[in-house]
Amino acid sequence: QKEVEQNSGPLSVPEGAIASLNCTYSDRGSQSFFWYRQYSGKSPELIMSIYSNGDKEDGRFTAQLNKASQYVSLLIRDSQPSDSATYLCALMDSNYQLIWGAGTKLIIKP
Amino acid sequence: DTAVSQTPKYLVTQMGNDKSIKCEQNLGHDTMYWYKQDSKKFLKIMFSYNNKELIINETVPNRFSPKSPDKAHLNLHINSLELGDSAVYFCASSLNRGPGELFFGEGSRLTVL
Repeated sequence: QKEVEQNSGPLSVPEGAIASLNCTYSDRGSQSFFWYRQYSGKSPELIMSIYSNGDKEDGRFTAQLNKASQYVSLLIRDSQPSDSATYLCALMDSNYQLIWGAGTKLIIKP
Repeated sequence: DTAVSQTPKYLVTQMGNDKSIKCEQNLGHDTMYWYKQDSKKFLKIMFSYNNKELIINETVPNRFSPKSPDKAHLNLHINSLELGDSAVYFCASSLNRGPGELFFGEGSRLTVL
């Protein structure tokens, strides 16, 4: 069964530090990877997508993909209390279905 | 204008009742989805429609019936509600069936008593 694994957390990070969120997956045929952020009581929103090996930066966010090791990570620089949320990793499998991780709860402490 | 809108946002009902949730998107997207998020926060795909055609129909009880009158609307009807149906139901849309870039509605929190 295709799986996406995330540490459920909570991951506690001091304000201003780098938050590192990790995700591993089992389907080597996966090509597209996504990070969604979900605030408590709200809907998920897409923050990053990554399709090729390496790093992709967008503001304070950097997504990293390593297909050989089957992991994708999200780094948040200069963490702010407003970054406190659950971060969901998702990937598109060869059948065009999104496979979701259970999410990592991130807490940024002032 | 809200891109993906769902109504109602909250439903509280008794076991055995029937309820419907409506979803509309004004993004011009071809594909719409229904997701269920339970108390453990895990997102589970239920259905997906592409241009009014059902393309994903996961193993959900047949008490759940989706309906897409046009590509901008996707409704969900639930018959004979059970306690385990209590969850947040999210509607989402994407430009087409390929990319995983979804736009979610605000969710409809269903509580079955």
